Amino acid sequence: QSALTQPPSASGSPGQSVTISCTGTSSDVGDYNYVSWYQQHPGKAPKLIIYEVNKRPPGVPDRFSGSKSGNTASLTVSGLQAEDEADYHCGSYSHSNHYVFGTGTKVTVL
Amino acid sequence: EMQLVESGGGLVQPGRSLRLSCTASGFTFGDYALSWVRQAPGRGLEWVSFVRNKAYGGTTEYAASVTGRFTISRDDSKGIAYLQMNSLETEDTAVYYCIRGGASGRYYMDVWGKGTTVTVSS
Repeated sequence: QSALTQPPSASGSPGQSVTISCTGTSSDVGDYNYVSWYQQHPGKAPKLIIYEVNKRPPGVPDRFSGSKSGNTASLTVSGLQAEDEADYHCGSYSHSNHYVFGTGTKVTVL
Repeated sequence: EMQLVESGGGLVQPGRSLRLSCTASGFTFGDYALSWVRQAPGRGLEWVSFVRNKAYGGTTEYAASVTGRFTISRDDSKGIAYLQMNSLETEDTAVYYCIRGGASGRYYMDVWGKGTTVTVSS
């Protein structure tokens, strides 16, 4: 079961933007608009922040946005705040593996 | 408030079995697929299994790493999902999360439990 590829880390200063990539294949990210993103603070359960590529659940700030191009999805966090420091995981429906997560990215607010 | 609460984790020897439970509240349990996702210490998330809701046939799917060893089930009358884990291996050590969604037209996971820890060690 191959995981989607994310950079291990990303960082930015408060107020800046950071973008995280999530690269899959034509069997998952590339073929379906079913990419989601999850935020996880240390010791806590993940929380859904983006679903179906670019939709935000109620209560998620519009500083979080998602997009997709080909086999790569992206999450952008604009106007970074201290509380955005967390691990971020992408996930996607997969034709061959049913569901697959990314390798995870640790975001640091400098 | 929509909630999922896992139970049943613990320390178990390799080769033994364990059954996890997931109790739902605050939403109509039978309308949704239920998934299990695990996270080994210091690692990323790994999808383990899901069971579709009755409207989608109630069928089940598994990750290759657990196929033949784990069985997912659900009791809609009680609002509980189960994960029966047999022939446990040290690589199964992880926090196991129960989640609403992941299948049945909702290919995202929007309600997560707090997780239950499974440690497989001799």
